Amino acid sequence: SQQGEEDPQALSIQEGENATMNCSYKTSINNLQWYRQNSGRGLVHLILIRSNEREKHSGRLRVTLDTSKKSSSLLITASRAADTASYFCATVNSGGSNYKLTFGKGTLLTVNP
Amino acid sequence: SQTIHQWPATLVQPVGSPLSLECTVEGTSNPNLYWYRQAAGRGLQLLFYSVGIGQISSEVPQNLSASRPQDRQFILSSKKLLLSDSGFYLCAWSVIAGRRDTQYFGPGTRLTVL
Repeated sequence: SQQGEEDPQALSIQEGENATMNCSYKTSINNLQWYRQNSGRGLVHLILIRSNEREKHSGRLRVTLDTSKKSSSLLITASRAADTASYFCATVNSGGSNYKLTFGKGTLLTVNP
Repeated sequence: SQTIHQWPATLVQPVGSPLSLECTVEGTSNPNLYWYRQAAGRGLQLLFYSVGIGQISSEVPQNLSASRPQDRQFILSSKKLLLSDSGFYLCAWSVIAGRRDTQYFGPGTRLTVL
């Protein structure tokens, strides 16, 4: 079964608006990561948040982690058309191999100009 | 800087034919290497990973195999393709030490089995 489950599955917003995507997971984690995938391309790492962190920022990205609820959110502020892509959360499970990421099915974000 | 290459970019193969996809990494030594498959509209499924030359771990039983003949080369193979092998195949690498959790992906190979 999928460890990470993103919602919504698809999100359509206007340029300049904020986009929020959520990720839920089931087991204890070492860290949680967000990746972006443009259509037909490879994935690009965006940000990593460790299990002892609650919030992290990188440019227009803000990630929160609530380990008690086993959930994370990715906020993209002041969105641009170039932010149109699929966004995936991925977890590294605690107690397991640090080599393995478990990906969710992703959220398809469309930013309309 | 590190770069990762995959080829071919696209491939159309008949059922029952063999497969060989190649992935190479430049600018780093002794990386962890990974093969993923992504079905249309879905997340990534880890197929194989390798922590060193000749060391391959398989995540799911399937029609595919992987090999690592050199430190920075990872090959995905099949003797006879099935229709269900169609998908987008992604290779990735990560460092052994330090920030080893972050993975860096190649551009992918789109495989269509007819």
